[in-house]
Amino acid sequence: GAVVSQHPSWVICKSGTSVKIECRSLDFQATTMFWYRQFPKQSLMLMATSNEGSKATYEQGVEKDKFLINHASLTLSTLTVTSAHPEDSSFYICSAGTSGRAVGELFFGEGSRLTVL
Amino acid sequence: KQEVTQIPAALSVPEGENLVLNCSFTDSAIYNLQWFRQDPGKGLTSLLLIQSSQREQTSGRLNASLDKSSGRSTLYIAASQPGDSATYLCAVIIGAAGNKLTFGGGTRVLVKP
Repeated sequence: GAVVSQHPSWVICKSGTSVKIECRSLDFQATTMFWYRQFPKQSLMLMATSNEGSKATYEQGVEKDKFLINHASLTLSTLTVTSAHPEDSSFYICSAGTSGRAVGELFFGEGSRLTVL
Repeated sequence: KQEVTQIPAALSVPEGENLVLNCSFTDSAIYNLQWFRQDPGKGLTSLLLIQSSQREQTSGRLNASLDKSSGRSTLYIAASQPGDSATYLCAVIIGAAGNKLTFGGGTRVLVKP
């Protein structure tokens, strides 16, 4: 299957700082990327959908000014958590799909664990 | 709004026993349903994808059934092994537009040797 890489896999930061997480599709062009958030022992909650070259679409309740998403190329999307606070500590996972594959055939990154002190 | 529920939330079985994981969804107008595996602190691995027109999919020891009318899917894992210990998530897509997955809460499985 296709490979999606996330970086960093874990990050610890101080409250008030910003953290950027990258999601790369290594062997295919990802026309659409999705960002999820997962709290301990809970399921994945979709945060936003990003399409290459356009603004991300955020799910209800997700602050777009706090979680900045950029999808500038067909292989890279970034999620920036601005002015992070301890309640932003979570596991963030991206997934990528492409118009050339079946609907629902998504590939997931390994996730990035953010801890805000 | 589509809601996906997985029961039980946790399951512990001795090695060799068959596993039965349940997933239910409230809106039967799904495009497809997928089962994923997630190891602790890791991303998701797709196990099986069932299109809405299909009733089941099989891969090795895994078999997933889909009953759209009743809003249910079941994942069977035959002859469980300790390596099957993980969290299993089901997710559905509504409609052909986009790939927005709605996930269930997952079932944490422990297979004891």
